[in-house]
Amino acid sequence: GQNIDQPTEMTATEGAIVQINCTYQTSGFNGLFWYQQHAGEAPTFLSYNVLDGLEEKGRFSSFLSRSKGYSYLLLKELQMKDSASYLCAVMDSNYQLIWGAGTKLIIKP
Amino acid sequence: IAGITQAPTSQILAAGRRMTLRCTQDMRHNAMYWYRQDLGLGLRLIHYSNTAGTTGKGEVPDGYSVSRANTDDFPLTLASAVPSQTSVYFCASSEGADGGTDTQYFGPGTRLTVL
Repeated sequence: GQNIDQPTEMTATEGAIVQINCTYQTSGFNGLFWYQQHAGEAPTFLSYNVLDGLEEKGRFSSFLSRSKGYSYLLLKELQMKDSASYLCAVMDSNYQLIWGAGTKLIIKP
Repeated sequence: IAGITQAPTSQILAAGRRMTLRCTQDMRHNAMYWYRQDLGLGLRLIHYSNTAGTTGKGEVPDGYSVSRANTDDFPLTLASAVPSQTSVYFCASSEGADGGTDTQYFGPGTRLTVL
């Protein structure tokens, strides 16, 4: 079966750095997406990785290792507004997204 | 530019009733999707449409139907609602380009409670 694993919840301090991990087992791989979802709102697109390595976009970076079935989202200089759930999703061989359950990130002052 | 709109925002429905959730996008995207999101679970695909006039089944299609008469609209119908269909429903769209870089954009969601 297809499976996306990510931690259920993480806590970090304002101004610090946090890394959210995602491991996957899917039938085929056509890219990995990270989305942010604030409570009661829709998911919004953060990043896309299809090749191994690090993609940097401002305070957010995303890393992919296809051989290990592993990705992480790195958030730097954490702000209170970063409190949200972070969803990892993999596009499988049928170009459908398989979603993880999400990681709820709590930022403390 | 509205992006994707969904209606209603929330609804309480008696079991056995028929209900249509509406979704409209103004981005001229080819592909549209319906997901449900339940606590502790990832988004699960109900139905999708790669282009107007075509639809396909996702991971959890039972009890739901869709139609895609034009590019902009993609309604989701529950023919006879059951309590297990209590969930938050998200509509999404994407350009539908072949290949992996097909980012999906989401509507604000409909919170449905079936009693």
